Amino acid sequence: DAGVIQSPRHEVTEMGQEVTLRCKPISGHDYLFWYRQTMMRGLELLIYFNNNVPIDDSGMPEDRFSAKMPNASFSTLKIQPSEPRDSAVYFCASSLGLVTDTQYFGPGTRLTVL
Amino acid sequence: KQEVTQIPAALSVPEGENLVLNCSFTDSAIYNLQWFRQDPGKGLTSLLLIQSSQREQTSGRLNASLDKSSGRSTLYIAASQPGDSATYLCAVLYTGNQFYFGTGTSLTVIP
Repeated sequence: DAGVIQSPRHEVTEMGQEVTLRCKPISGHDYLFWYRQTMMRGLELLIYFNNNVPIDDSGMPEDRFSAKMPNASFSTLKIQPSEPRDSAVYFCASSLGLVTDTQYFGPGTRLTVL
Repeated sequence: KQEVTQIPAALSVPEGENLVLNCSFTDSAIYNLQWFRQDPGKGLTSLLLIQSSQREQTSGRLNASLDKSSGRSTLYIAASQPGDSATYLCAVLYTGNQFYFGTGTSLTVIP
């Protein structure tokens, strides 16, 4: 398997624009996670899905952020409108289970909002 | 608030030394604790996962221990190598299905 795939790897946009980040989990994994990493706040869980259903979105910072998982092989994280403080590295991860299985991380998307 | 703390924030050791990284958490109601490695500009790689019922896990030169009662975990790296240089993060899954990551320990192994 190719591992978790994220696109784009880098995104530069202007404040107010819509940004969509994409993730393809490892085939057969039932859980998908979206994280954000910044120097100030470290790594934060934004939302996770089980079998395409959002389970916990308490980490989503505000209504400007939304995530979807229309099928088992694809998820998106959308920011609309984007703000400079959204600049961060966004990681997607997937795992077979929640309690006994490790998470496999993608390479991340580095987002810069000007 | 459920927090995860890692001390020290940075560590520099000469090659060949054994070393210990520390992770503390505030609530003993956990499902598991994981140790990850992150290289600059890369994603995280899982090193070891310790379930709540376990005391330790080993993989090669790595050994991780878990003491729920004291809210502590350690990652022991034996005979350190320059290739071990990276940031090491611990992550706790609490029984409320909440994940929290520590801020990491940046390790430099000097040849």
